[in-house]
Amino acid sequence: NAGVTQTPKFRVLKTGQSMTLLCAQDMNHEYMYWYRQDPGMGLRLIHYSVGEGTTAKGEVPDGYNVSRLKKQNFLLGLESAAPSQTSVYFCASRGTSLFVVQFFGPGTRLTVL
Amino acid sequence: GENVEQHPSTLSVQEGDSAVIKCTYSDSASNYFPWYKQELGKGPQLIIDIRSNVGEKKDQRIAVTLNKTAKHFSLHITETQPEDSAVYFCAMPRSYNTDKLIFGTGTRLQVFP
Repeated sequence: NAGVTQTPKFRVLKTGQSMTLLCAQDMNHEYMYWYRQDPGMGLRLIHYSVGEGTTAKGEVPDGYNVSRLKKQNFLLGLESAAPSQTSVYFCASRGTSLFVVQFFGPGTRLTVL
Repeated sequence: GENVEQHPSTLSVQEGDSAVIKCTYSDSASNYFPWYKQELGKGPQLIIDIRSNVGEKKDQRIAVTLNKTAKHFSLHITETQPEDSAVYFCAMPRSYNTDKLIFGTGTRLQVFP
């Protein structure tokens, strides 16, 4: 039982390049989330999904797109990376009951030059 | 908009002492208050949570208290140990959409031997 895994762990991009971050969970969770973590700002929600085939915007969605084609996977895309997107990205998942814990992945450290 | 303020941002204690982290929120409809611990290089992990129908919850050396009248909740760690050193985040669901959590800005706790 791997829980929540993220690929890649580290990545360096040049401004304007694109990339996709992959999140996978093996807990059969309906809900999945993408956060970014920046110093002094805590965790901010980018996009999330309440089930396969659905996505919704979080607090900081600009410059990102997501897809949830399979229940176990949640992809975060950057179409044209900007230095402001340098951050640590975390994926999380949870079940459908109220008051349930979100399980986080180990994170992806992204640097945009 | 609703938010949650977390204090202090950094906290240094001697091993064996107690540590207290406080979060204040702006929306009285919140009814679930989790605390997450993030160790260096890892994703956040739930350590304890409290529901609005109780004022205090304990789990060994960790306790959380909730004061709904004053709109604050606190994490208490007693008999601190070096392995308690980490960043701690409070969180709560957004009142208009309980699918989403809002996180505090984090407290870096250092426990010195």
